[in-house]
Amino acid sequence: EDQVTQSPEALRLQEGESSSLNCSYTVSGLRGLFWYRQDPGKGPEFLFTLYSAGEEKEKERLKATLTKKESFLHITAPKPEDSATYLCAVQAVNTGNQFYFGTGTSLTVIP
Amino acid sequence: NAGVMQNPRHLVRRRGQEARLRCSPMKGHSHVYWYRQLPEEGLKFMVYLQKENIIDESGMPKERFSAEFPKEGPSILRIQQVVRGDSAAYFCASSPSGRETQYFGPGTRLLVL
Repeated sequence: EDQVTQSPEALRLQEGESSSLNCSYTVSGLRGLFWYRQDPGKGPEFLFTLYSAGEEKEKERLKATLTKKESFLHITAPKPEDSATYLCAVQAVNTGNQFYFGTGTSLTVIP
Repeated sequence: NAGVMQNPRHLVRRRGQEARLRCSPMKGHSHVYWYRQLPEEGLKFMVYLQKENIIDESGMPKERFSAEFPKEGPSILRIQQVVRGDSAAYFCASSPSGRETQYFGPGTRLLVL
């Protein structure tokens, strides 16, 4: 069965302390990998889509990268407002259009 | 451009009642997906619909659950004879085609007493 694993489950950072979140996947034929941010009580908010190994996307303090086995979400000099749960999802070629989600990384940025 | 809309945002039902969750996709989007999120678990796919068609319902329980996306109006996820285990957040997502980014609504939080 296709699997998406995110690590760490939880991460606490001091404001300004850069770090990376990991999303590893095992799907036979990646169609796309998607990063979302979810705040408590809200729906996932789209951040990035990556389609092929070597691709990178950047937005403000966030940068997403993709290899053949995993994706990283790099957070540079985070601020308290970056605190949220970050979700990774993959869409595979041979399993229709559904997304497979990881369980997320809960990020807390301390002032 | 309004995003994906879901209502109600919160729904309380007693065991045995019916729950109806509604989802209006983003303007121009004709593909709708329903996901369920339990505490401490990831989002789980339930069903994928296009207008008047169910494309993939492989993630939806065979009994008590049904979904539709009529020609006019919102998509509906219906849960009959709810049980406490149905308590969860239900999210709807939409996309312009089946192979593009899915945009999520704010969710409906169902509580079964």
